[in-house]
Amino acid sequence: GDSVTQMEGPVTLSEEAFLTINCTYTATGYPSLFWYVQYPGEGLQLLLKATKADDKGSNKGFEATYRKETTSFHLEKGSVQVSDSAVYFCALGGSNYKLTFGKGTLLTVNP
Amino acid sequence: DAGVIQSPRHEVTEMGQEVTLRCKPISGHDYLFWYRQTMMRGLELLIYFNNNVPIDDSGMPEDRFSAKMPNASFSTLKIQPSEPRDSAVYFCASSETSNRGGDRFFGPGTRLTVL
Repeated sequence: GDSVTQMEGPVTLSEEAFLTINCTYTATGYPSLFWYVQYPGEGLQLLLKATKADDKGSNKGFEATYRKETTSFHLEKGSVQVSDSAVYFCALGGSNYKLTFGKGTLLTVNP
Repeated sequence: DAGVIQSPRHEVTEMGQEVTLRCKPISGHDYLFWYRQTMMRGLELLIYFNNNVPIDDSGMPEDRFSAKMPNASFSTLKIQPSEPRDSAVYFCASSETSNRGGDRFFGPGTRLTVL
C-alpha cells in the first residue's frame, strides 16, 4: 500500500538557517504529493503541492520537487524565520480520495 | 469564507459518556473527512463522505464510533460510550471534487479528553 516516510524530528535551527526536511514515498501509479503545516493549536494547512514528476511546488519561500526516480519530495527553505516554527507533514494522494500522511516533523526556529 | 468550522474546540468528559463532535465544511465542497491525531499514531483517517454519502469507514476504530452527514453543511462524529484511549484531537476537513487526492481544508480541531 501507499506509505510516506519523513525524517523524524525535532529539528532545531537558528533564524536564517537553511532547512531541509526529507520525505520519501511508496505508491502505485502516479500520486500527487503535498506538504502540510500545522501551527500550534491549529489544524493543518496546505503549504505546497506537486501533481506530477519534476513539478516543483513553492509557497512562502518553501520549495519541494517531485522526484520520481528517487521517490522523494524533500521540503527546503533557504532562510527560516521564527514564525516557521510548526509541525510539517508530507502527504501522498493516490487514485482515490485518501491522503496518506507522514508522522510529521517538528521544527523549532530560535531567534 | 469562514473555513471549516468545528465545535466544540475542547471537550472533557468521563468514561462511558456519549460525545458528539460537529463539523461544518466549506460551502461547495463535496468531500468531508474525519481524522484523529495522537502522539502515538499520528494522523489517521477515520471516515470520509462524498456528497453526504459515507464512502470509506475502514478507519473507524470500533462500533463505538459513528459518523453522519445529514446534509451538505453538517456532519457529526459520535463516540458512545467514550473511553480514555479515545482522547485525541479530532479534525474535520473538506475538499472540492476537482482536487484529486488532496487540497484538504482542515478545521481547527476538537481536543477530546476522556477521564
